[in-house]
Amino acid sequence: DAGVIQSPRHEVTEMGQEVTLRCKPISGHNSLFWYRQTMMRGLELLIYFNNNVPIDDSGMPEDRFSAKMPNASFSTLKIQPSEPRDSAVYFCASSLGTLITDTQYFGPGTRLTVL
Amino acid sequence: AQSVTQLDSHVSVSEGTPVLLRCNYSSSYSPSLFWYVQHPNKGLQLLLKYTSAATLVKGINGFEAEFKKSETSFHLTKPSAHMSDAAEYFCVVSEKRTYKYIFGTGTRLKVLA
Repeated sequence: DAGVIQSPRHEVTEMGQEVTLRCKPISGHNSLFWYRQTMMRGLELLIYFNNNVPIDDSGMPEDRFSAKMPNASFSTLKIQPSEPRDSAVYFCASSLGTLITDTQYFGPGTRLTVL
Repeated sequence: AQSVTQLDSHVSVSEGTPVLLRCNYSSSYSPSLFWYVQHPNKGLQLLLKYTSAATLVKGINGFEAEFKKSETSFHLTKPSAHMSDAAEYFCVVSEKRTYKYIFGTGTRLKVLA
């Protein structure tokens, strides 16, 4: 299995621009998670989906952030407009389901720099 | 609410000596607990997990952890550190009601030659 795939791996953009991060979960996994990692705040859950439906988006910082999962094999996280404080590593993870015993498998991350 | 505390933000050991990374949790339910490792500029990789079966859990690369309910601890150990173990380690508790992962703040392990 290829694991969780994220693209791009690195993104450098200027303040005000739209940024789209992409994720392909492991085939057969029904849950997908978006995290943000910064030095100051550590790992934060932004949103998670179960069977393509957003279940909890309470971690999404503000309206500039949006996430979609149009099908079981693809999700996007969009930031519009981007700001320097959005600079972070964004991880996507997937799991079989939402049991507390289910393991989340993480992608390699997208390092976002907003100038 | 569930929480997890990693007691050391940095740990340094010499190559070939034992590793101990400490984690305490708080949970009103029987928790699931995980240890993940993150090498520089990489994603998180699962080392091991506890899901109410055996209290001593063996993971990859020689790591193991023991679930101690009386001490609310889930410390990670390895008998002999290798240079390749240098990384950041995260203790995680899975929240029963919401199935969310609650991450500790991480412990950065340094291995000295």
